Amino acid sequence: DQQVKQNSPSLSVQEGRISILNCDYTNSMFDYFLWYKKYPAEGPTFLISISSIKDKNEDGRFTVFLNKSAKHLSLHIVPSQPGDSAVYFCAAYSGGSNYKLTFGKGTLLTVNP
Amino acid sequence: SQTIHQWPATLVQPVGSPLSLECTVEGTSNPNLYWYRQAAGRGLQLLFYSVGIGQISSEVPQNLSASRPQDRQFILSSKKLLLSDSGFYLCAWSWDSNQPQHFGDGTRLSIL
Repeated sequence: DQQVKQNSPSLSVQEGRISILNCDYTNSMFDYFLWYKKYPAEGPTFLISISSIKDKNEDGRFTVFLNKSAKHLSLHIVPSQPGDSAVYFCAAYSGGSNYKLTFGKGTLLTVNP
Repeated sequence: SQTIHQWPATLVQPVGSPLSLECTVEGTSNPNLYWYRQAAGRGLQLLFYSVGIGQISSEVPQNLSASRPQDRQFILSSKKLLLSDSGFYLCAWSWDSNQPQHFGDGTRLSIL
């Protein structure tokens, strides 16, 4: 049972345009969401997070949007750069004192020059 | 700043051999520590976490075990490796629960 779903295994975008990565979840107890970026042969790097009490969080070129009623979140990268090419993972914590991050399978983003 | 180190980066082991992967964190004290595995075509799966020395919680039953002999050291072990233990193993740390976890660069384990 996959509780965090990234339905697009890959996405290709032109440099300078917007990249939109999507994530859906099924567990209504999830209340803190994170995005990670991963290059080949490296561990995931934390990018940005959002609490369920918010619907938007912005950090430079990266913005995460949360739609709780739809159980959907998205990561926007504007403008996209070739160095953004990587696998992006969506992850979530459920409520309470929780140590378990549940990850999606990832989306490979390719930004073409 | 905090850093996390894992070694080795790659490892090829025969079926039935033992395993020991080590992870250390620098620049922080009393971190929460985690071991994850990423099998081919799948997301990251939490294997173990630790909130303190000697305190280990297992998330999934398996052929592996974990130990935390020191505050900033986390070890993943097996007495006899199975083919299904192949994968990419990642160590991570965080300040507390419900906080971003920060990952090492992982160990690619291949079982022959």
